[in-house]
Order: sequence, then C-alpha cells, then structure tokens
Amino acid sequence: GDSVTQMEGPVTLSEEAFLTINCTYTATGYPSLFWYVQYPGEGLQLLLKATKADDKGSNKGFEATYRKETTSFHLEKGSVQVSDSAVYFCALSEGGGYALNFGKGTSLLVTP
Amino acid sequence: DAMVIQNPRYQVTQFGKPVTLSCSQTLNHNVMYWYQQKSSQAPKLLFHYYDKDFNNEADTPDNFQSRRPNTSFCFLDIRSPGLGDAAMYLCATSTTRAGANVLTFGAGSRLTVL
Repeated sequence: GDSVTQMEGPVTLSEEAFLTINCTYTATGYPSLFWYVQYPGEGLQLLLKATKADDKGSNKGFEATYRKETTSFHLEKGSVQVSDSAVYFCALSEGGGYALNFGKGTSLLVTP
Repeated sequence: DAMVIQNPRYQVTQFGKPVTLSCSQTLNHNVMYWYQQKSSQAPKLLFHYYDKDFNNEADTPDNFQSRRPNTSFCFLDIRSPGLGDAAMYLCATSTTRAGANVLTFGAGSRLTVL
C-alpha cells in the first residue's frame, strides 16, 4: 500500500541554519504530495503541496520538489526562525483518492 | 474566522466508559474526517463522511462509531474505550474528496483512558 517515510526527529537547529527534512514515499500510481505543519497547541495546517512530478511547492520560505525518480519530497528552508519550531508531517494522497497517508512527523526545535 | 472546532480538548475517561468527542465546522465543507494519532505515530484515518454518506476504513475497530447530524457537526463515539485507545483524535474537513484536496484540521482532542 501507499506509505510515507520521514526522517526521525527531533531536529534541533540554531536560528538562521539551513533545514532539510527528508521524506520518501511508496505509491502505486501518481500521488499528490503535501507537507503539513503542527504548531504547539494547534491543529495541522497545510504548508505546501505538489501534484505532479517536478512540481515545486513553496510557502513561508519553505520549499519541496516532487522527485518521481527518487520518490522523494524533501522539505527545505534556507534560514529557519524560532517561530518555525513545530512538528512537520509529510503526506500523500493517491490520485482520485481522498485519504491522506501521513508520515510519523518530524519535530523541529529552533533555538535563538 | 471560519474554522474547525473540537471539544473537549482534553478528555479523561475510565476503561470501558463510553466517550463522545465532537467536531464543528463553519466552512460548509462537504467532507469531514476523523483521524487517530498515537504518540510518535502517523495520524491514521478512522472514517469520513461525504455529506451524509459514511465511509469506514477497513481496519477501524467496531468500538469506534460516528454520527453526522448535519453539515456542521460530526461526532466520534468510542463505545468501550480500552487503554490502547488513548490518543489524539483529529477532525478535519475538505470541500471534495479529490486526490489533491486540502484538509483543514481542528486542534484535536486528547483522550486519556485510566
């Protein structure tokens, strides 16, 4: 079945450091890919998405590129801020399907 | 602001004592979902409603039931909670069931079973 694998956390970075959170997926078809973020005490919210190969999703300085050849959708940000501290979830939905398959989440802590 | 509201945020129950979690939305979305998220695990879809059409995931235990009396509200009923049902329960909504649709989540209800 479809699945998502994220790098284990927690990830601790200093402010202004470069961030990469790895995400790889397994799917039988051509899924849409998402990154959701969960700030402390809040629900998950969409950070960015990509619906086909080579698409790049971007939002709030975060980027991820849909790489079909490596089945990956790694999240990157050039310079993290303390306010980026949160849990980040990679997810996919199979084309025509409704269910989001999530990864386990990666906790990010950014220190001043 | 339009949003998804879950109540209660924290629920403590005893082993075997029924519990109901609620979810309301002001987005007028057609689809409402319930996910279960255990510690350090991925959120797992339990079931969803497309309007009044109920769709149960194949591996959702019978202990979990749901009701959607109208567009705005959806309830999760756990008939006889076990220790293994302690988790965060997430409600989400979306406009469609299309593959690339975006889900809007509530803040979650954390269930503790004693």
